[in-house]
Amino acid sequence: DGGITQSPKYLFRKEGQNVTLSCEQNLNHDAMYWYRQDPGQGLRLIYYSHIVNDFQKGDIAEGYSVSREKKESFPLTVTSAQKNPTAFYLCASSIGQLDNQPQHFGDGTRLSIL
Amino acid sequence: QKEVEQNSGPLSVPEGAIASLNCTYSDRGSQSFFWYRQYSGKSPELIMFIYSNGDKEDGRFTAQLNKASQYVSLLIRDSQPSDSATYLCAAMRGATNKLIFGTGTLLAVQP
Repeated sequence: DGGITQSPKYLFRKEGQNVTLSCEQNLNHDAMYWYRQDPGQGLRLIYYSHIVNDFQKGDIAEGYSVSREKKESFPLTVTSAQKNPTAFYLCASSIGQLDNQPQHFGDGTRLSIL
Repeated sequence: QKEVEQNSGPLSVPEGAIASLNCTYSDRGSQSFFWYRQYSGKSPELIMFIYSNGDKEDGRFTAQLNKASQYVSLLIRDSQPSDSATYLCAAMRGATNKLIFGTGTLLAVQP
């Protein structure tokens, strides 16, 4: 089945630790996105990539890093610089950077502080 | 002012009624609008999208867009308990292809 796979489903981070969230898609989509969702705040864009080997900061990129070495993969690293990492992290993809393209989401990763 | 605003609810409707969910946006450059449904603890699921003024129907769902008033709505006919979820409205920001989400409206359909 075509889709977006995020792993792990749950993740725990210790103080000072970097953790990496995986996002893989087999939809042949060019564009991929990372969002963070906190209770009562809706989804906020962390990073996005419209093409392989290129990515841009979103609205809340501080404390996060990404890479886009392959079309199907867009991992997110939550660094120790992110002081409030507890949230629901959602990866999305869309066909391309053309306007009007809907984004589809993976099942998400819940990150908590130990 | 938030770029995309929704009433947080909860909006409670009886089973079989029409649920009306509303959303306003501030960026006049927004051209595309999306409605997502999110069940508790799950990820958002695309319900509908609309680009042109007027109505767009898909089964029990109708999206309405009024660009002059900067207003988007989602109507759910014959509401079912399984429609109980948070509905997120999103606007595509200008020409950037970035989605800006509202905080969502919680819909509760009472059996």
